[in-house]
Amino acid sequence: DVKVTQSSRYLVKRTGEKVFLECVQDMDHENMFWYRQDPGLGLRLIYFSYDVKMKEKGDIPEGYSVSREKKERFSLILESASTNQTSMYLCASSFGLAGIADTQYFGPGTRLTVL
Amino acid sequence: AQSVTQLDSQVPVFEEAPVELRCNYSSSVSVYLFWYVQYPNQGLQLLLKYLSGSTLVKGINGFEAEFNKSQTSFHLRKPSVHISDTAEYFCAVIKGGTGGFKTIFGAGTRLFVKA
Repeated sequence: DVKVTQSSRYLVKRTGEKVFLECVQDMDHENMFWYRQDPGLGLRLIYFSYDVKMKEKGDIPEGYSVSREKKERFSLILESASTNQTSMYLCASSFGLAGIADTQYFGPGTRLTVL
Repeated sequence: AQSVTQLDSQVPVFEEAPVELRCNYSSSVSVYLFWYVQYPNQGLQLLLKYLSGSTLVKGINGFEAEFNKSQTSFHLRKPSVHISDTAEYFCAVIKGGTGGFKTIFGAGTRLFVKA
């Protein structure tokens, strides 16, 4: 079974702190994604990556950055956390080349609260 | 423009009753269609997907969906629900653009199954 793990289930940070969310997948997937999930808005794509050291902006990249130094690991960084970044963050991965419609496998999520 | 619309934010239903969760997609997106389910405190997992071929797609846990091109719909159905089906359900489409293809999720439908 594909396993996608996220470093924390719950996280509480203060405004202005730098926050790292880590995601690791164990199935050698090419593609990795970061979403945020908010009630009534579904999932919104923040960033995605189709290869090591490659990243593409999603629909809401402002205030976020990402890093993919190894194929299995995709990190989301909040440079200076703000209260409007309080949300559930979901990481996902999928196999296949860019442009192929493939199933995404999700981690359990990190619920981040910024005070 | 909205690429996928889930017409009901919440659907309450009694156990063993049939259920339909509605999803309409924009005709400007590709016809790769997905339904994902999110059980409480978990990430999303794939229920079923339509890529091509038969318009009636069967998924896990007794769910099925029908692709209707003329209605631009991909409604999810189950003839008899269980308490354990209580979850949030997301319809998703694949949309192409610069940087490759992205999955666009609907806002979600929360299914409550009552005893």
